[in-house]
Amino acid sequence: EPEVTQTPSHQVTQMGQEVILRCVPISNHLYFYWYRQILGQKVEFLVSFYNNEISEKSEIFDDQFSVERPDGSNFTLKIRSTKLEDSAMYFCASSEGNQETQYFGPGTRLLVL
Amino acid sequence: GENVEQHPSTLSVQEGDSAVIKCTYSDSASNYFPWYKQELGKRPQLIIDIRSNVGEKKDQRIAVTLNKTAKHFSLHITETQPEDSAVYFCAASPSSGGSYIPTFGRGTSLIVHP
Repeated sequence: EPEVTQTPSHQVTQMGQEVILRCVPISNHLYFYWYRQILGQKVEFLVSFYNNEISEKSEIFDDQFSVERPDGSNFTLKIRSTKLEDSAMYFCASSEGNQETQYFGPGTRLLVL
Repeated sequence: GENVEQHPSTLSVQEGDSAVIKCTYSDSASNYFPWYKQELGKRPQLIIDIRSNVGEKKDQRIAVTLNKTAKHFSLHITETQPEDSAVYFCAASPSSGGSYIPTFGRGTSLIVHP
């Protein structure tokens, strides 16, 4: 069964540095999402992406965040200047349609020191 | 925006018992309610979902019920097994601009003792 994949699985960075998290959605899916989960807390929506543009974003997704689909397979989340509070697990998800089930990737655990 | 409350935060049962996790939501426009199971350090995985045009859905040992009037929905697991131990998240999704963006509950840590 196809799965969403994410790289890296873990990332450690210094505060103020830029990080790029990568995702490969399921190949026939058209809608892509990023979520984050701070340790021990619930999953929080960041952004959704369709047809090469952001369709929705949450309050968390401020100017330091950006998303991109640089080619036909990858979907990236960039954090421009990381802060300590950005430390979390970041999940990518994809869905076939705009009202269909979302499938999550394994996550990237980001630690900002 | 949507607000989802989930109870209990922790649920401990003996193998073979039933487990029930309850969620309430605030936005009457919500019409899609997925449940995810997340094992320690792993991705959330969809286990069952329900849409607002039905009141109950069952898949083997798992069932979900929805009461739109009261704005609550529940997950029922029968004949629990140790491998059911995980954190379970409910979510509610309004249809906003054609996309389903789920708001998650805080999760229930289910522990099934052998």
